Amino acid sequence: EVQLVESGGGLVQPGGSLRLSCAASGFTFSSYEMNWVRQAPGKGLEWVSYISSSGSTIYYADSVKGRFTISRDNAKNSLYLQMNSLRAEDTAVYYCARDPISETDVWGKGTTVTVSS
Amino acid sequence: QSALTQPASVSGSPGQSITISCTGTSSDVGSYNLVSWYQQHPGKAPKLMIYEVSKRPSGVSNRFSGSKSGNTASLTISGLQAEDEADYYCCSYAGSTPYVFGTGTKVTVL
Repeated sequence: EVQLVESGGGLVQPGGSLRLSCAASGFTFSSYEMNWVRQAPGKGLEWVSYISSSGSTIYYADSVKGRFTISRDNAKNSLYLQMNSLRAEDTAVYYCARDPISETDVWGKGTTVTVSS
Repeated sequence: QSALTQPASVSGSPGQSITISCTGTSSDVGSYNLVSWYQQHPGKAPKLMIYEVSKRPSGVSNRFSGSKSGNTASLTISGLQAEDEADYYCCSYAGSTPYVFGTGTKVTVL
């Protein structure tokens, strides 16, 4: 079964850091581009970051540029999001997503990040 | 990276048809036939309903259809059913961004 499972969410103070992980299974992880998408409470979906299959191409939304770092370990079938200098507005459910907008898209169930003092 | 514009809410009675619009720009919706639509029930992950403007993934009801004209894409749900009540989001490829989502539309079945 094709599956993405996010982990690493939790409560963190403003200015703090958190590292999210996404474990992939059921498909050849190294062949796929991956993304992080988030959804603040009661709000819409927001694309956060993209990484190519090899990791050589990376993009970020302006709202997280300079604070978040996406990476992947194809040997471990894992995707990561290092989040630094966290702000209240980063509070959201963070989804790991394969190939959004394509027929082969897959989403995890999400992990919740809460930034609060 | 501005979000695509969708109506906040659309409603209809069972059996009726409704259409949700998704307006972007010439840099996203207008430039690529890579618009998708997602359905999201409360507390759940988004589910792909339409991809590449008008294609349906396997298992999605043919009551869902998509189209595009210029910078505006549309999702039509025909024969509205109670289980269609959910939030709907459009998403477009946008080049180097590379994805931009819509603001979301809450569909209510009266």
